[in-house]
Amino acid sequence: QVQLVQSGAEVKKPGASVKVSCKASGYTFTSYGISWVRQAPGQGLEWMGWISAYNGNTNYAQKLQGRVTMTTDTSTSTAYMELRSLRSDDTAVYYCARDLDTAMVLYFDYWGQGTLVTVSS
Amino acid sequence: EIVLTQSPATLSLSPGERATLSCRASQSVSSYLAWYQQKPGQAPRLLIYDASNRATGIPARFSGSGSGTDFTLTISSLEPEDFAVYYCQQRSNWRGTFGGGTKVEIK
Repeated sequence: QVQLVQSGAEVKKPGASVKVSCKASGYTFTSYGISWVRQAPGQGLEWMGWISAYNGNTNYAQKLQGRVTMTTDTSTSTAYMELRSLRSDDTAVYYCARDLDTAMVLYFDYWGQGTLVTVSS
Repeated sequence: EIVLTQSPATLSLSPGERATLSCRASQSVSSYLAWYQQKPGQAPRLLIYDASNRATGIPARFSGSGSGTDFTLTISSLEPEDFAVYYCQQRSNWRGTFGGGTKVEIK
């Protein structure tokens, strides 16, 4: 069965960086893209960006351009999201999510369990 | 950036009633729209994609319609497990954005 298992909760100081991992299993990793979506406490969902697990191409949300980097390691079927220059409003649960189909990107049928990132001095 | 506006913010209904949720896009997204359900402490669950296609395992009481800028999610008869927050999401221009959500609560 398809599973996306994310790394554990993080507490960071303002200005620091965080790197969250998402380990995939149960399918051919390089056949599907992965997006990252975050959700601030009590708020809605925010799409952060997408990465092709096939060739590493990325597409980031405009508001995060320059602060976010998404990568994959095909040898371990793991996707990573790094966010730099953290601010208090980056406090959120961060989800990785798999594309619905190999040819249908940016709809998400499998999600990780979420990683809480807290930014606090 | 395409903005999605969902209405109403909260819908108070009883089990067995029909729920109609709206999502309006700031510009046309063709049929590139999905709906998700999220319960507290859980990741979202895909219900509908391409405006009207039910995802695998989604009950037939969930249906989606619309194209262009106006979309609707209908739950024909609410079951107790359907009380949750619902989000629409578009994927036009190779970027995804979500609406602000509609909470369906028990009246």
